[in-house]
Amino acid sequence: EVQLVESGGGLIQPGGSLRLSCAASGFTVSSNYMSWVRQAPGKGLEWVSVIYSGGSTYYADSVKGRFTISRDNSKNTLYLQMNSLRAEDTAVYYCARDAVVPAAMGYYGMDVWGQGTTVTVSS
Amino acid sequence: EIVLTQSPGTLSLSPGERATLSCRASQSVSSSYLAWYQQKPGQAPRLLIYGASSRATGIPDRFSGSGSGTDFTLTISRLEPEDFAVYYCQQYGIHQPFGQGTKLEIK
Repeated sequence: EVQLVESGGGLIQPGGSLRLSCAASGFTVSSNYMSWVRQAPGKGLEWVSVIYSGGSTYYADSVKGRFTISRDNSKNTLYLQMNSLRAEDTAVYYCARDAVVPAAMGYYGMDVWGQGTTVTVSS
Repeated sequence: EIVLTQSPGTLSLSPGERATLSCRASQSVSSSYLAWYQQKPGQAPRLLIYGASSRATGIPDRFSGSGSGTDFTLTISRLEPEDFAVYYCQQYGIHQPFGQGTKLEIK
């Protein structure tokens, strides 16, 4: 079964750091484009970051320089390292598979999502 | 950077009615890179439509997508009780913005 399971969320003080994990099963993380998407309480979806199968990474302006996306191929796991956290980073964080066929420039949507992990930044 | 604007913010309809949701991009986007998602309270989003008009696996044919350039539409032909949710459009690229969402509520 194709599945994503996030972990690592919690309560953290402003200025602190947290690392989120997203364990995949049923497919290989390193062969896919993978994104992090967040949702602040009562708000809409906000794309945070993507890592391509080739290793390139991109970030939303709101997190650039503070967050780092990475993966561990041996663990088939995606990560989001979050530093210098702010109150406005409080959200449910989802990982998702971006179904992309780079050679054909085809995009088939974020077709697999985790259940989300909650990050609360507060003193 | 492309901004996606969805309208209306809230749509109040009854089961059996037709729903038309709009997504407008701040500049022309490839229809190949436009997707729609459904989200219910307490759940992760679910992919409905990719490539502006192709239904994802398992999505009922009452859901359809259309559009090109800067204007895209999600249509639900006959609303079922389980369709009342929030809907988001999203554009693929180096950055992958979402629209702000349309809440479809029961009238």
